[in-house]
Amino acid sequence: QQQVKQSPQSLIVQKGGIPIINCAYENTAFDYFPWYQQFPGKGPALLIAIRPDVSEKKEGRFTISFNKSAKQFSLHIMDSQPGDSATYFCAASGGSNYKLTFGKGTLLTVNP
Amino acid sequence: GAGVSQSPSNKVTEKGKDVELRCDPISGHTALYWYRQSLGQGLEFLIYFQGNSAPDKSGLPSDRFSAERTGGSVSTLTIQRTQQEDSAVYLCASSRDRGVYNEQFFGPGTRLTVL
Repeated sequence: QQQVKQSPQSLIVQKGGIPIINCAYENTAFDYFPWYQQFPGKGPALLIAIRPDVSEKKEGRFTISFNKSAKQFSLHIMDSQPGDSATYFCAASGGSNYKLTFGKGTLLTVNP
Repeated sequence: GAGVSQSPSNKVTEKGKDVELRCDPISGHTALYWYRQSLGQGLEFLIYFQGNSAPDKSGLPSDRFSAERTGGSVSTLTIQRTQQEDSAVYLCASSRDRGVYNEQFFGPGTRLTVL
């Protein structure tokens, strides 16, 4: 059972574009939703995270939008740059369970 | 300061052999996690250690997998009688304390190839 569904699998945008990656979850006990960025050969690195008491969070060019009723959250990257080309994972955890449940990942390519 | 380190970075083994993967968490981090990353399954939780509490082993795929954490610091993940489907990148993460909101910092992983 896949508890966090992520789409699209891959995404290509031009420099300056705004890629949007979407995730949906099933477990209503989840209350922490981080996004991780991973470059080839490296471990995932936390980009930004949100809790369900807010609907939006911005950090620099990265924004998370959260819809609790729909059990969906998304990542927007403003003014995307070629250096943003990486794989992005959404994740969720919550309740007494500290383990992260990850989406399958989105391979983002930002063309110059 | 130093991040999470893992060794070896790459491991090639023959089917049926045992392997040990090592993780050194960030100093002072009490929580340690192992995940597995494979093409077909994405990132999957394996096991979680927190201080002296009993580990959460709910993600271990079979009894061929085991892990220990000595002295609340270094952890070793052992895979016995390796199978080809064990080929994956094994990632270790640590966090400052227990708690859902504590950021998990990941190491670079160990790429395991079972021939």
